[in-house]
Amino acid sequence: GAVVSQHPSWVICKSGTSVKIECRSLDFQATTMFWYRQFPKQSLMLMATSNEGSKATYEQGVEKDKFLINHASLTLSTLTVTSAHPEDSSFYICSARGPSGNEQFFGPGTRLTVL
Amino acid sequence: GENVEQHPSTLSVQEGDSAVIKCTYSDSASNYFPWYKQELGKRPQLIIDIRSNVGEKKDQRIAVTLNKTAKHFSLHITETQPEDSAVYFCAAIISGGKLIFGQGTELSVKP
Repeated sequence: GAVVSQHPSWVICKSGTSVKIECRSLDFQATTMFWYRQFPKQSLMLMATSNEGSKATYEQGVEKDKFLINHASLTLSTLTVTSAHPEDSSFYICSARGPSGNEQFFGPGTRLTVL
Repeated sequence: GENVEQHPSTLSVQEGDSAVIKCTYSDSASNYFPWYKQELGKRPQLIIDIRSNVGEKKDQRIAVTLNKTAKHFSLHITETQPEDSAVYFCAAIISGGKLIFGQGTELSVKP
């Protein structure tokens, strides 16, 4: 149980385009999901907390107009990177808070490359 | 803001030896401390966690200790094997259920 999927697993796009990443909890309902970004050889950095039915809360330094988060259902959160630039190239990972409240279940990640 | 410090950043051991990774956290309200193993290009995999009402937890070759007074927690891997080679992250939960990660430790187990 407690499986989280992410789609796509990788994407290559041109500078200036927008990219949408989906995060789904497959066998449980997740009122709260989290989005992380991980650059090579670095740690996971929390970008934002996605709450079902309400606006996401962003960490300091993360541009909310650039990284649009939508959590329209209890099993789906989406992250849209708008007007992507090469510096946005990274590994984006989502997680969903499990029923116990503490443990987070991670998606497999999305490798974004912006040319 | 809240943070988690992790040491060392790299650790090389011989197969069969023990490995210890240490972390400190700043938020005294943190009550959940997971450890993750991450292989290149993969998602973090939970290997063990500990809650603040417990001082030590063990699962086969892996153990975690927690000192709430000092705000320290450590991962101990005994009888290391080459397949233990990966990057390990500690984390602490803070307000809002958010996880803050340490900087990571690249563990290399040499056969």
